[in-house]
Amino acid sequence: AQSVTQLDSHVSVSEGTPVLLRCNYSSSYSPSLFWYVQHPNKGLQLLLKYTSAATLVKGINGFEAEFKKSETSFHLTKPSAHMSDAAEYFCVVSEDQGAQKLVFGQGTRLTINP
Amino acid sequence: DSGVTQTPKHLITATGQRVTLRCSPRSGDLSVYWYQQSLDQGLQFLIQYYNGEERAKGNILERFSAQQFPDLHSELNLSSLELGDSALYFCASSRRAGALVAQYFGPGTRLLVL
Repeated sequence: AQSVTQLDSHVSVSEGTPVLLRCNYSSSYSPSLFWYVQHPNKGLQLLLKYTSAATLVKGINGFEAEFKKSETSFHLTKPSAHMSDAAEYFCVVSEDQGAQKLVFGQGTRLTINP
Repeated sequence: DSGVTQTPKHLITATGQRVTLRCSPRSGDLSVYWYQQSLDQGLQFLIQYYNGEERAKGNILERFSAQQFPDLHSELNLSSLELGDSALYFCASSRRAGALVAQYFGPGTRLLVL
């Protein structure tokens, strides 16, 4: 069965500095991986997805993630944090087994300091 | 705005009652998913429908049921409600079924059971 571990429950950075949100996955098969963001009192928005086409995936709002099979990691990064990036971020895995069940990590709360 | 709509936005009810949550997928999407988000369990997949038929089941209680109608909207029925059912319930949709396809989430229905 697939699973996801987000290594930090809370990350705090200053505005204008880089962001790194860490995610490790476990999957028996070729996984699809996603990052979603949830702003306070809002629904989930897709940031980016990895589906084996390229290991470096670019998403919306300047975010990107790199798939590293040897490390079973899919970390999310952004070169320069903006105040509007403050939100909860979820790393998600889905196995290519026909059924499209998403398995969510516990989430990382990103705080941006002015 | 993802294009997925959910009603109602908020719902307050008493233990033992039954409620129905409604979801309209994005135009053209055939697959609908339901998720529950609670503080102790995080985000959990409940059930998936594809073009009117149940496709996958997750951690859905027997007191809960869902269906997808011919116009592709879906309803999640929660009965014999307990305090622990208080949560945010999300609906998501995608063009087709399959792990490689991204899901788009609605804003959620916040259920409070008193």
